[in-house]
Amino acid sequence: ELKVEQNPLFLSMQEGKNYTIYCNYSTTSDRLYWYRQDPGKSLESLFVLLSNGAVKQEGRLMASLDTKARLSTLHITAAVHDLSATYFCAVTPSSNTGKLIFGQGTTLQVKP
Amino acid sequence: KAGVTQTPRYLIKTRGQQVTLSCSPISGHRSVSWYQQTPGQGLQFLFEYFSETQRNKGNFPGRFSGRQFSNSRSEMNVSTLELGDSALYLCASSLGLQRGYNEQFFGPGTRLTVL
Repeated sequence: ELKVEQNPLFLSMQEGKNYTIYCNYSTTSDRLYWYRQDPGKSLESLFVLLSNGAVKQEGRLMASLDTKARLSTLHITAAVHDLSATYFCAVTPSSNTGKLIFGQGTTLQVKP
Repeated sequence: KAGVTQTPRYLIKTRGQQVTLSCSPISGHRSVSWYQQTPGQGLQFLFEYFSETQRNKGNFPGRFSGRQFSNSRSEMNVSTLELGDSALYLCASSLGLQRGYNEQFFGPGTRLTVL
C-alpha cells in the first residue's frame, strides 16, 4: 500500500531564512502534487511534478522530484510571514488516477 | 472559470442521522473525488466518480456512499452518523485523464459536526 511521509511535521522559522520540507513515498508513482492549506480553508494547488528530475518554482517556493529515491522536496527561500500555512504533498498511485494519497502535512510558521 | 463548489458549507447533525453533501465540479471536468479531513487521520480518500461510475474507492465503511450525475455533479451520503464522522469533507474535480497531467482542484469543503 502506498504511504506518504512528510518531515518535519512542524516548522517554525524566522523571516528571511531558508528551509526544506521533505516528502517520501513508498511505492512507484509518476505524479506528485504539492498543496497549501490555510487554517479553515481548502487546499490550493501549488505544483504538479510529473517526471523524474522535474523542478518547478513559484516565487519563494521550489519543488523537485526524484522518482528513483521516491523523494520530493519543497524548498522555501527567504521565508516571509505570508508563507505561514500547512503544506501537503500527495501522490497518485500509478493505477489510480483519481486517488491522492496525502502526507501528514507540514505546518509552517514564519515569525517576523 | 468558476471553481469547484460544495454545499452546504456547514452542517450540524446528531448521531444516527444521515447527511447528503453536494459537489459541483469545474466545467468540463468529468472526475470528482471525495476526501475526509480530520485532525487525527489527516486527509483520506473516500471515492472517485468518473462518468457516473465509481472508479476508485477508499477504505471507508459502507455507510459512506456517493453518486455522480450526467452533468458530473456529485453527491456523497453518510448514513447512521457517528461522532467520528465529524470532519471537513472536501471534493476535488479533475479532467480524469488516465495519463499525464491530471491536477485535482479542491472545493471549499463542507464542515460536518456530529453531536
